[in-house]
Amino acid sequence: SQQGEEDPQALSIQEGENATMNCSYKTSINNLQWYRQNSGRGLVHLILIRSNEREKHSGRLRVTLDTSKKSSSLLITASRAADTASYFCATDSYNNAGNMLTFGGGTRLMVKP
Amino acid sequence: DAGITQSPRHKVTETGTPVTLRCHQTENHRYMYWYRQDPGHGLRLIHYSYGVKDTDKGEVSDGYSVSRSKTEDFLLTLESATSSQTSVYFCAISNRGRENIQYFGAGTRLSVL
Repeated sequence: SQQGEEDPQALSIQEGENATMNCSYKTSINNLQWYRQNSGRGLVHLILIRSNEREKHSGRLRVTLDTSKKSSSLLITASRAADTASYFCATDSYNNAGNMLTFGGGTRLMVKP
Repeated sequence: DAGITQSPRHKVTETGTPVTLRCHQTENHRYMYWYRQDPGHGLRLIHYSYGVKDTDKGEVSDGYSVSRSKTEDFLLTLESATSSQTSVYFCAISNRGRENIQYFGAGTRLSVL
């Protein structure tokens, strides 16, 4: 079963627009991470937000976390064609003896030039 | 891809044959993971290792075995490949720490005919 579920599954926008994708999860977490996957490549870590944080920024990325709603959002501002990729949230949970991350199904983002 | 090499990158095999995928890291990270990625299922954990000769099962371990005889190598074996094991396989590494950020290899595309 997937801890994180992304919404929407697919998103198409024009270059310069903002892209927002959401992630919901089920259990308590240590932190929540976002990864990007370009077509045919492995996942790349983008940003991490801890359970005691509400918002975090990194360049054009803004992540929010609402632990009461068990949800997170990733905002990419001023999108570029190079942002075209799939984006995954991943949760690091308490009682996680195996140090595992649980990944959601991903959001496919297409940025049209 | 952060000092992680997966081999082979592509493989076509027949049902019933054994297959071994290799993950090699040069980062000296303690934790190593094998995932499979399928449309509609995101990334699912197969097996992971928390040290040399220390391994455990993930979410979808049936039909797979792993071995880790050296820190740098983590092998995934399909004892008798089935068509349902056609997938893209990713290896990841982590040094855990406080944040458990994972670094991924480029993937192996396996087709079982």
